[in-house]
Amino acid sequence: QVQLQESGPGLVKPSETLSLTCAVSGYSISSGYYWGWIRQPPGKGLEWIGSIYHSGSTYYNPSLKSRVTISVDTSKNQFSLKLSSVTAADTAVHYCAREAHGSGSYYNDYWGQGTLVTVSS
Amino acid sequence: SYELTQPPSVSVSPGQTASITCSGDKLGDKYACWYQQKPGQSPVLVIYQDSKRPSGIPERFSGSNSGNTATLTISGTQAMDEAVYYCQAWDSSSVVFGGGTKLTVL
Repeated sequence: QVQLQESGPGLVKPSETLSLTCAVSGYSISSGYYWGWIRQPPGKGLEWIGSIYHSGSTYYNPSLKSRVTISVDTSKNQFSLKLSSVTAADTAVHYCAREAHGSGSYYNDYWGQGTLVTVSS
Repeated sequence: SYELTQPPSVSVSPGQTASITCSGDKLGDKYACWYQQKPGQSPVLVIYQDSKRPSGIPERFSGSNSGNTATLTISGTQAMDEAVYYCQAWDSSSVVFGGGTKLTVL
């Protein structure tokens, strides 16, 4: 059974960098699939942040691209998110998820439980 | 940028059929998928590649996609199906979500 678990600070100050890690168990990241981050502001809908392949190839949401970095550590079977220059608008539950991606098809079949990150001084 | 549009809410009586639409330019030329999200929980994939059901998803969930509209259909809707449903598609190296539809079973 594939499991994903997000971890990281729940509170970040404005203008600082949000950093989260997603630990994957039950599946080796090196075996395939893309791995991504999705966020959900309180009471609002889902927003894709970006994805990474085990080779390091990435896709980012164009609206966040200038502030986002996603990296992968295959030795620890985990991947990470950094979002710089955060504001209150970046307050959201952040999910990590496995992505099945190819030939125009895309879907997230396994999700983490999500972690709330609040941006506040 | 590509956009997917969903109705904010849909209501259905128990045992009846619920249909939730997702509209986007030439969406039928892309693959659509659907997620169910209950309060306080992570989204769950219920339909992928327009009409396929993941293992463990009841047969009452089905999907279609043609023209500019993808549709999630729930036959014999049960109280446990009350949730927010999101459609999703891939366009120009980017992932797009619809705004979500709150399904009320009453």
